[in-house]
Parts: sequence; structure tokens; C-alpha cells
Amino acid sequence: AQTVTQSQPEMSVQEAETVTLSCTYDTSESDYYLFWYKQPPSRQMILVIRQEAYKQQNATENRFSVNFQKAAKSFSLKISDSQLGDAAMYFCAYRSGGGSNYKLTFGKGTLLTVNP
Amino acid sequence: GAVVSQHPSRVICKSGTSVKIECRSLDFQATTMFWYRQFPKQSLMLMATSNEGSKATYEQGVEKDKFLINHASLTLSTLTVTSAHPEDSSFYICSARDDGLRGAGETQYFGPGTRLLVL
Repeated sequence: AQTVTQSQPEMSVQEAETVTLSCTYDTSESDYYLFWYKQPPSRQMILVIRQEAYKQQNATENRFSVNFQKAAKSFSLKISDSQLGDAAMYFCAYRSGGGSNYKLTFGKGTLLTVNP
Repeated sequence: GAVVSQHPSRVICKSGTSVKIECRSLDFQATTMFWYRQFPKQSLMLMATSNEGSKATYEQGVEKDKFLINHASLTLSTLTVTSAHPEDSSFYICSARDDGLRGAGETQYFGPGTRLLVL
């Protein structure tokens, strides 16, 4: 079974600074997807960014980018120019790419605090 | 963007009663939906996969008779917590997979969640 590990229970960053959230995963599959979801205090899960394992290029969405290291099974999220609205719980998630298994496996999450 | 709604957003019920939670995909069809449970300051725990027109697939340790799932249409899945007890109090979240997106475009969209309190 796949596992997702987020080793940082909590992180903090100053407004306008950059922060990197870590995520590692364990899988024997070669085809899969990786996601970062954000859960603000409202508890609405919001997709931040998605990476297909077959793509070597790191995904980028505005201020959010990932460092995908397939061999190392690492998928970190970098938030640039942090804003107060970025404060939330961030979850890394894995999804198998094959067959009809669409389940997401989540890490335990990293609580990000943004200091003004 | 794709929107998933949940109703009710919060519910308080007495021990022993049943509670139904609805999950709707508002602007896309979803053959597959998922139900999660989340305790405070913890991650999402997948309870079951809901499949339109067929039986749900439950994760290990989840009681099928306790958490009844019905996926009667391509836009609606319901979770019924039967004979609820205080230990069932939790935050329940659904997600839906957009049938119109495949492969690289595929993602799950989440509902806003339902807070259940059983007294």
C-alpha cells in the first residue's frame, strides 16, 4: 500500500517570504499523480497543485510550485511571496494512475502559519 | 470551477437516530464519489467509495451497516449514519470525480463538509 509522509506538523513563515513544505511517499508504481491540497479554517479542501509522475517538469501555479524528485519519491511544495490567506493546513496526497482506483491517500498534514 | 455541495453543513441529533448527508456535484457528472471522515487536527480518512448504480466499496474497519451509502444518480450520493452514537460525532467530507476529465486533467473536488454532533 502507498504511504504519504509529511514530516513537518507545523511551519511558519513571514508574510512575503518563501516557505517549503515537505512530502515523501512510498510506492512501487510508476504511474501516479501527486497533489497538494489546502484546508483553511473553513475546512473546505482546495486543490493547490497537481503533478503527473510521467512529467519531468515541475508543476507551477502562480506563487505555488513543486519540486518533484521521482527517484527520491519526494514532492515538496514551495510557496513564494507568502500571504496571510495562505495560512491553512496543507495536505499532500497520492493517487494511483492505473486502473480504476481513484482513491487519494493523504499525508497527516502541515499546519502553515503566516506571520504579518 | 467544479462545485460540490453538501447538505446539511451541520447537524445535531440525539443518540440512536439516523442522519442523512447529501453530496451533490453541481456542474458536472460524477460516477464516483468518496466519503471521508476527519477528526480535529487530523487528516482525512477515506471511509468508502461511492459508485453510481452499484454498491459502495468500504475501507477496512468501516461498518457497512452503520454508514449506508447510496449513489442514485450521476450528481448525488448520500451517506446515512444509522443509529448514531456520540462516537460518530465528526466532520464528514465528500468528494467527487469529474467524469468529463480523464488522465492528466483528472482531479477530485471536495464538498464543504458536514459537522455531525450526536448528543
